[in-house]
Amino acid sequence: KAGVTQTPRYLIKTRGQQVTLSCSPISGHRSVSWYQQTPGQGLQFLFEYFSETQRNKGNFPGRFSGRQFSNSRSEMNVSTLELGDSALYLCASSPRGDAYNEQFFGPGTRLTVL
Amino acid sequence: QKEVEQDPGPLSVPEGAIVSLNCTYSNSAFQYFMWYRQYSRKGPELLMYTYSSGNKEDGRFTAQVDKSSKYISLFIRDSQPSDSATYLCASSRIQGAQKLVFGQGTRLTINP
Repeated sequence: KAGVTQTPRYLIKTRGQQVTLSCSPISGHRSVSWYQQTPGQGLQFLFEYFSETQRNKGNFPGRFSGRQFSNSRSEMNVSTLELGDSALYLCASSPRGDAYNEQFFGPGTRLTVL
Repeated sequence: QKEVEQDPGPLSVPEGAIVSLNCTYSNSAFQYFMWYRQYSRKGPELLMYTYSSGNKEDGRFTAQVDKSSKYISLFIRDSQPSDSATYLCASSRIQGAQKLVFGQGTRLTINP
């Protein structure tokens, strides 16, 4: 079974631009979560989608948004990029998202903002 | 104060040593506790998961949760160079269980 895939793997943008990252979960998984990983703050939860609905949200500004499609694929968007948005963005999928299910992480998209 | 605290290390030990990794947490509502391993340029992978208090063993790995002291531990026996990685503890509540709160991660090196 294929793992979680994320595209693109690397991205360079400049301040003020916007970016869209894509995540394809493991086949059959309906819950997709997004995390930001930086050396200073570590791994921080952004949001979780289940059946096309945002179910949980972390403490990030409104510039960070996401969506999930009917096939469970998910995208996250960051508008008006800031230097501090440079990070590894990780997507994780789990089967149902009820109670605790193991989350399977993708390799991440490394975003550099210049 | 972060909800989950973890010493970032780095920690360097000789091959074959017993490794002890620890975290503390502050949110009493946390019921799920996990340990993830992350190799360089890879996403985290789940090593161990426990619900509420107690011990769990899987091969060379043992996870312990003490809810009375809000302490999470991972022990690695007979450590191998291939265990060199960053180890992350994580916790979550029953409500919104998919919202994991991670520690900072401890970078571990096992020296041959």
